Amino acid sequence: NAGVMQNPRHLVRRRGQEARLRCSPMKGHSHVYWYRQLPEEGLKFMVYLQKENIIDESGMPKERFSAEFPKEGPSILRIQQVVRGDSAAYFCASSSGGTSGNTIYFGEGSWLTVV
Amino acid sequence: AQKITQTQPGMFVQEKEAVTLDCTYDTSDPSYGLFWYKQPSSGEMIFLIYQGSYDQQNATEGRYSLNFQKARKSANLVISASQLGDSAMYFCAMRGGLSGAGSYQLTFGKGTKLSVIP
Repeated sequence: NAGVMQNPRHLVRRRGQEARLRCSPMKGHSHVYWYRQLPEEGLKFMVYLQKENIIDESGMPKERFSAEFPKEGPSILRIQQVVRGDSAAYFCASSSGGTSGNTIYFGEGSWLTVV
Repeated sequence: AQKITQTQPGMFVQEKEAVTLDCTYDTSDPSYGLFWYKQPSSGEMIFLIYQGSYDQQNATEGRYSLNFQKARKSANLVISASQLGDSAMYFCAMRGGLSGAGSYQLTFGKGTKLSVIP
């Protein structure tokens, strides 16, 4: 399966712990995006990365959230000191280009539950 | 700013019948792309179909077709010969512009829950 790979699929964290979500883009794709889906909502953009660069993080909360896409290895979305409101599905997506004509493919999502 | 509106929170369709899921959009960009995704109860987001704003013909992918009416700013998804496995949430989304945030960010609607009745 050469699709977008995310892990873990499900993650439970206690309030105050850290959550790390990993994403490997589709083969040949160098553009990675993270989206968050709250219950009964559509997906909301968080951050757009290319290798070693954050292009746009305007959708990401200013505190506790960070993202990276290193030269080697998967993209990581890191949430420090999680709170109950962080409980959501986090989707990673990738594309071969960053313009409106490029199809974006999503991973299966990572469901974070904060208890 | 880009906006996607899906006015049908839920839809029912009889198995083997066709169904249309509505989507209207608002953008000032002359170049944009429209997408439909399916989210079954298992949670993954599955790409279904794409329509570019300059495409002359409506997009089709198997049983899925996109009824693109540019002047009305609508991009309705048509599913023919519905199957039980089509029961899912369906999201319409768009990217717009040749540069800037709109060109790479997807803006999603709130979704339509489709239930296929045997």
